[in-house]
Amino acid sequence: QVTLKESGPGILQPSQTLSLTCTFSGFSLSTYGMGVGWIRQPSGKGLEWLANIWWDDDKYYNPSLKNRLTISKDTSNNQAFLKITNVDTADTATYYCARPVDSGWGYWGQGVMVTVSS
Amino acid sequence: DIVMTQGALPNPVPSGESVSITCRSSKSLLYSDGKTYLNWYLQRPGQSPQLLIYWMSTRASGVSDRFSGSGSGTDFTLKISGVEAEDVGVYYCQQGLEFPYTFGAGTKLELK
Repeated sequence: QVTLKESGPGILQPSQTLSLTCTFSGFSLSTYGMGVGWIRQPSGKGLEWLANIWWDDDKYYNPSLKNRLTISKDTSNNQAFLKITNVDTADTATYYCARPVDSGWGYWGQGVMVTVSS
Repeated sequence: DIVMTQGALPNPVPSGESVSITCRSSKSLLYSDGKTYLNWYLQRPGQSPQLLIYWMSTRASGVSDRFSGSGSGTDFTLKISGVEAEDVGVYYCQQGLEFPYTFGAGTKLELK
């Protein structure tokens, strides 16, 4: 059974760095073809893909976030991470991690709410 | 970036009616492998999105056969045959052809 669960700080101040963790089970990020992605959703708004990391440590980022993103993984502990530097109120959102199935995001975490406020 | 544009529904929709949700991409999502990289999701109120359809017309595991996907390289349709209460929520299309992956703005389905 595949599960994913996000964790984060809840609230942080503008200009700080947001660190998110995705802890998963039921698959391994060392398995050929496996990947994990991060997607966010401001309250009442749509979905925005942020970044992907693959089993071979290949990484892709959304260029709209202008080099503020860093995705990484800890294969031994079944975790993936996302850091967003220099946050502002526009980064307030629910952040999801998800695992692809074929061409779609087949498994999603429950999401973690992050608020950026001074 | 590939822009995804979704149509609206004439809400609220009577239970049991069939509806179609449209999505258009700014670039063909047909890849050289013959597959069209268009996905559909349903986000029920208060829940995470759920994958319904991938490769434009393949139902994800466990998804009701009331949901069907069709289209061309740039114009797509999600059909729900016989809307039920559990279908209420926001439907998103998403292109998986190239990075950055992009989603449509969402189409809300409300039941009468």
